[in-house]
Amino acid sequence: DAGITQSPRHKVTETGTPVTLRCHQTENHRYMYWYRQDPGHGLRLIHYSYGVKDTDKGEVSDGYSVSRSKTEDFLLTLESATSSQTSVYFCAISFGGPMAETQYFGPGTRLLVL
Amino acid sequence: AQKVTQAQTEISVVEKEDVTLDCVYETRDTTYYLFWYKQPPSGELVFLIRRNSFDEQNEISGRYSWNFQKSTSSFNFTITASQVVDSAVYFCALSEAMGWNQGGKLIFGQGTELSVKP
Repeated sequence: DAGITQSPRHKVTETGTPVTLRCHQTENHRYMYWYRQDPGHGLRLIHYSYGVKDTDKGEVSDGYSVSRSKTEDFLLTLESATSSQTSVYFCAISFGGPMAETQYFGPGTRLLVL
Repeated sequence: AQKVTQAQTEISVVEKEDVTLDCVYETRDTTYYLFWYKQPPSGELVFLIRRNSFDEQNEISGRYSWNFQKSTSSFNFTITASQVVDSAVYFCALSEAMGWNQGGKLIFGQGTELSVKP
């Protein structure tokens, strides 16, 4: 199994509060991704990183920001959580290549915004 | 735009039945990759297979087999002699390059929930 951990695994928060989710990998992979999973939508890309301090937006990036100061850590921040951000968040990593490399996923974080 | 469609939302079978999960994709790229992932009730996503657009050979791995047909833009997944442990949500995904050296985005289908009853 790929060495990917996510923290916290479960979180309940209130609307308007900031939330940070952490993804940590021990594989030294260059590429890291944040997806959200919602019923009827499969998984959708929020943000991704292709190196330390190199990040870019995915298809559902509004309301989210990311940071990557070290190879092993990729942080996802909800600046002011809303109920529409209630979801399961998955981090993924891949070794390299524009698209050919398989992405391996972390265990997920369940976030409930009340 | 790239798109993946898994028309079967839920499938229920009895153990030992064979079951096929359908996946149809749309892309204008000539080079692309297709994936299947399994999400058991515990929630993690487990990688099953990756195929590139130049390799249309069917693949078999134990009770699992995959049929890739570019002519119909399909990448179907068959489980032979299903077991209760196969109960899960299965996702088909298509890769999209995000620019040279920037990694690849996965376009996921909505998933098919397979229930195998004893």
